[in-house]
Amino acid sequence: DVKVTQSSRYLVKRTGEKVFLECVQDMDHENMFWYRQDPGLGLRLIYFSYDVKMKEKGDIPEGYSVSREKKERFSLILESASTNQTSMYLCASSLGTSGIMYFGPGTRLLVL
Amino acid sequence: ILNVEQSPQSLHVQEGDSTNFTCSFPSSNFYALHWYRWETAKSPEALFVMTLNGDEKKKGRISATLNTKEGYSYLYIKGSQPEDSATYLCAFNTDKLIFGTGTRLQVFP
Repeated sequence: DVKVTQSSRYLVKRTGEKVFLECVQDMDHENMFWYRQDPGLGLRLIYFSYDVKMKEKGDIPEGYSVSREKKERFSLILESASTNQTSMYLCASSLGTSGIMYFGPGTRLLVL
Repeated sequence: ILNVEQSPQSLHVQEGDSTNFTCSFPSSNFYALHWYRWETAKSPEALFVMTLNGDEKKKGRISATLNTKEGYSYLYIKGSQPEDSATYLCAFNTDKLIFGTGTRLQVFP
């Protein structure tokens, strides 16, 4: 059974805090992605990675960074959390650039 | 900016009704069209990945068609059940996936 896990389902942080969201997949996929989901908007791509130590900006990378030190793990970092980063964050992985996406359960982040 | 549009935004149907929704996408640089189902408190799950114009895929009571020349895909659910209640997302694949905003379906018993 394929699996993408995220470190937290719910997270509450204060403005200015550094926030780490962790994602792990057990399918040996090269590609990993971070999206955010906001009401009325589609899933928006923040960052993605095609290989270890590689990263590419998505559509809304401002205020975020990522780290991919191991193939199975892709971390999203909010350097200094702000209230407009309150959102649902979804991690996904895929085999190949057009392969089926396997999603994690999501992390609902509230920044106060 | 590439745009993927889904309609309607939301839909309420009675159990047993059949329903369908639309995904519109740019017809150029097409590579694939994905459909996902996202149930509340769960992860989005893939339903179909379609690549060829005229493609039709079926999974139980759910089916999808694809027209790449005019840039649309339809998702059909025959005899809707309460467990079909979810948000249905389509995604257009060029060098990355671009998601629509989804159609939120609620099926009432």
